Amino acid sequence: EAQVTQNPRYLITVTGKKLTVTCSQNMNHEYMSWYRQDPGLGLRQIYYSMNVEVTDKGDVPEGYKVSRKEKRNFPLILESPSPNQTSLYFCASSSGAAGELFFGEGSRLTVL
Amino acid sequence: GENVGLHLPTLSVQEGDNSIINCAYSNSASDYFIWYKQESGKGPQFIIDIRSNMDKRQGQRVTVLLNKTVKHLSLQIAATQPGDSAVYFCAENMSGDYKLSFGAGTTVTVRA
Repeated sequence: EAQVTQNPRYLITVTGKKLTVTCSQNMNHEYMSWYRQDPGLGLRQIYYSMNVEVTDKGDVPEGYKVSRKEKRNFPLILESPSPNQTSLYFCASSSGAAGELFFGEGSRLTVL
Repeated sequence: GENVGLHLPTLSVQEGDNSIINCAYSNSASDYFIWYKQESGKGPQFIIDIRSNMDKRQGQRVTVLLNKTVKHLSLQIAATQPGDSAVYFCAENMSGDYKLSFGAGTTVTVRA
């Protein structure tokens, strides 16, 4: 089954404790992206990757890092999480730069 | 930056009626538009897309209309069903750009 898998789905952490949200897709997609979803703000792009070792900033990259060492994986790293990073995070992939994105189920992160 | 916005944050529809969800965009250079549906607790799912060289595109029970003159996009759902209850997002992209900008979303509730 074609899917985008994120882990963890839920996480409560404390300020400053580094965390990684993993994302994996099994569709051999070149394009992957991370979004955060906040009430009233829709989906905002954090980082995206066009291919292995190619990443670029989205609209809200501050406080986040990503890596793309393998085509299927695109982890989101919060080196020092802060409460304003409490949000619902989505990873997505597609065969092209935009268009039909396949989204994961989301990871709800709470930073205390 | 440019914004993609939806006219109304909520829409209540009687089961069996047609739904119309509106979206205004401000970036006249955008040439690709997509509608996504997000059910509760899930990631967004692609519904239908349209390129700027078209005014209308039809899918199964859904129609997307694009009015480039007034920079307006709409999604029409025929014979709305309870399973259509969700948040609907419009998104825009510009050729050569690797970002997809989402609107804030419209929550559609179907009344039995």
